[in-house]
Amino acid sequence: EPEVTQTPSHQVTQMGQEVILRCVPISNHLYFYWYRQILGQKVEFLVSFYNNEISEKSEIFDDQFSVERPDGSNFTLKIRSTKLEDSAMYFCASSEAGSHEQYFGPGTRLTVT
Amino acid sequence: RKEVEQDPGPFNVPEGATVAFNCTYSNSASQSFFWYRQDCRKEPKLLMSVYSSGNEDGRFTAQLNRASQYISLLIRDSKLSDSATYLCVVNTFTDKLIFGTGTRLQVFP
Repeated sequence: EPEVTQTPSHQVTQMGQEVILRCVPISNHLYFYWYRQILGQKVEFLVSFYNNEISEKSEIFDDQFSVERPDGSNFTLKIRSTKLEDSAMYFCASSEAGSHEQYFGPGTRLTVT
Repeated sequence: RKEVEQDPGPFNVPEGATVAFNCTYSNSASQSFFWYRQDCRKEPKLLMSVYSSGNEDGRFTAQLNRASQYISLLIRDSKLSDSATYLCVVNTFTDKLIFGTGTRLQVFP
């Protein structure tokens, strides 16, 4: 069964450093998403991406965040200058055209110290 | 009012029991509805989409009441492996999924 993959599984970084989280969506999917979940809280939407551009972003997704699809398979989330409050699980998801069903990757646990 | 509201639980039930979870959503324009399951520190996994006519998948039955803005999930014959957090999820006109905080289920032998 095809699945979304994410790397790394855990990233530890110092405040102010840049991090790039990587995702490989399901191969025939065209819509890609990033969500985050702070420990003990609900899953929150960050951004959606389609046809090589952002289709929607939340208030959380400020100028420190960016997304990119650098090639035909990867989808990345960059946080330019990490803050302590960016510590969370970051989930990538994808969906196929015509469906609202989103499939999530295993997540990257980001710890900012 | 929260966009998606769920009873956090926990619901502690014995194996074989039937358990029901409820969820309410605030935006009457919501278009699509889902139940996801999340194990501790893992990703949300799609359990089932919820349709207006109601739908069933094995031991799981989901119902939607648009007039009351209410969604339910019924689990029959609970298994130990059903222990998880069940997330009620909706979206409106966009693809953004809006999650509830989840209802924790613990099935004991």
